[in-house]
Amino acid sequence: QITLKESGPTPVKPTQTLTLTCTFSGFSLSTYGVGVGWIRQPPGKALEWLALTYWNGDKRYSPSLTSRLTITTDTSKNQVVLTMTNMDPVDTATYYCAHRLSTWNSFDYWGQGTLVAVSS
Amino acid sequence: DIVMTQTPLSSPVTLGQPASISCRSSQSLVHSDGNTYLSWLQQRPGQPPRLLIYKISNRFSGVPDRFSGSGAGTDFTLKISRVEAEDVGVYYCMQATQFPWTFGQGTKVEIK
Repeated sequence: QITLKESGPTPVKPTQTLTLTCTFSGFSLSTYGVGVGWIRQPPGKALEWLALTYWNGDKRYSPSLTSRLTITTDTSKNQVVLTMTNMDPVDTATYYCAHRLSTWNSFDYWGQGTLVAVSS
Repeated sequence: DIVMTQTPLSSPVTLGQPASISCRSSQSLVHSDGNTYLSWLQQRPGQPPRLLIYKISNRFSGVPDRFSGSGAGTDFTLKISRVEAEDVGVYYCMQATQFPWTFGQGTKVEIK
């Protein structure tokens, strides 16, 4: 049974760096075809893809945010960490992590999400 | 970036009646490997998204067969054959053919 859970601080002050942790179970990020991605959703708005890390170490970022994002993996802890620098109130959103499998190349399992508010 | 455009943005439906959502991409979603990575996700109120359909028309595990997907190239459709109360929510199309992966704006399905 695949589960994912996001954790992170809230609120965050403008200009600070956000660190979000996705702790997962039921799969290994060392298994061929597996990936973990981050997606965010501002209140009342649509989903936005942020980043993806693959079983083979490949990482992809949203071009509009690439200078601010870093995704790292700790396979021993079953965790994926997303850092986002220079936070702004427009970054206020629910942040989700999700499992991806090459069979369908989509996000098949999602965490419940964590709401990050950016406010001074 | 590939822009995903959904219509309508809101769909009031009578229980038991069909519903249809269209998704159009700004470029072909056919990948160099021959697959078309177009998915549909459902987001019920207060819940994370849930995968319904992948690669245009394949239902994910546990998805009722009243949900179906079709299309090709740049035009895709999600159909609900008979809407049930639990189908209320926002539906998103998503392309994973080209980075960055992108979502449609979402279509809100509600009961009349």
